[in-house]
Amino acid sequence: DGGITQSPKYLFRKEGQNVTLSCEQNLNHDAMYWYRQDPGQGLRLIYYSQIVNDFQKGDIAEGYSVSREKKESFPLTVTSAQKNPTAFYLCASSMDRVLKGYTFGSGTRLTVV
Amino acid sequence: AQTVTQSQPEMSVQEAETVTLSCTYDTSESNYYLFWYKQPPSRQMILVIRQEAYKQQNATENRFSVNFQKAAKSFSLKISDSQLGDTAMYFCAFMSGIYNQGGKLIFGQGTELSVKP
Repeated sequence: DGGITQSPKYLFRKEGQNVTLSCEQNLNHDAMYWYRQDPGQGLRLIYYSQIVNDFQKGDIAEGYSVSREKKESFPLTVTSAQKNPTAFYLCASSMDRVLKGYTFGSGTRLTVV
Repeated sequence: AQTVTQSQPEMSVQEAETVTLSCTYDTSESNYYLFWYKQPPSRQMILVIRQEAYKQQNATENRFSVNFQKAAKSFSLKISDSQLGDTAMYFCAFMSGIYNQGGKLIFGQGTELSVKP
């Protein structure tokens, strides 16, 4: 079955460490997105990519980095520069131009310890 | 910049009754798309309903329907015959119809709906 896989489901990080969240899709979607979810703030866009080897900053990109070397994969690195990284992270993809909404992954809960 | 506002952080409804969740948005564009997503306790985001701004007819999906008022920039969700499984966080979202905007979804803050037996 086609879908988006995020791993791991739960992730713990020590302060000062970088950590990478995985996002893989087999839907043949062109566009992929990373969102951060905090209580009371909805989902905020971190980075997005419309095509392989190209990506753009979203509203809260500081302290994060991404790559898009393959159509299927869009990993997110949370760097030590991100001051408050504890959050729920959601990855999504969409078939560009069709605009039928997103397919979401099941999310990764990152906790800084 | 577009914004989406959900003014009801929490709502509750009795099983089998009807509830309406409010959403307003701000944009200067004429072509765009609006969505309602559901996030149950599992935290999996599920698309509930979608509306194209150029369509005057309100979208309907089974027990879910919207009241789209383009001039007022309002997009409310009505859930009829509420069921316990409707208990979830509901997000309203906006997407520009302009291609170079990247298909980004802009979300509201969410409304937490509890359906009580």
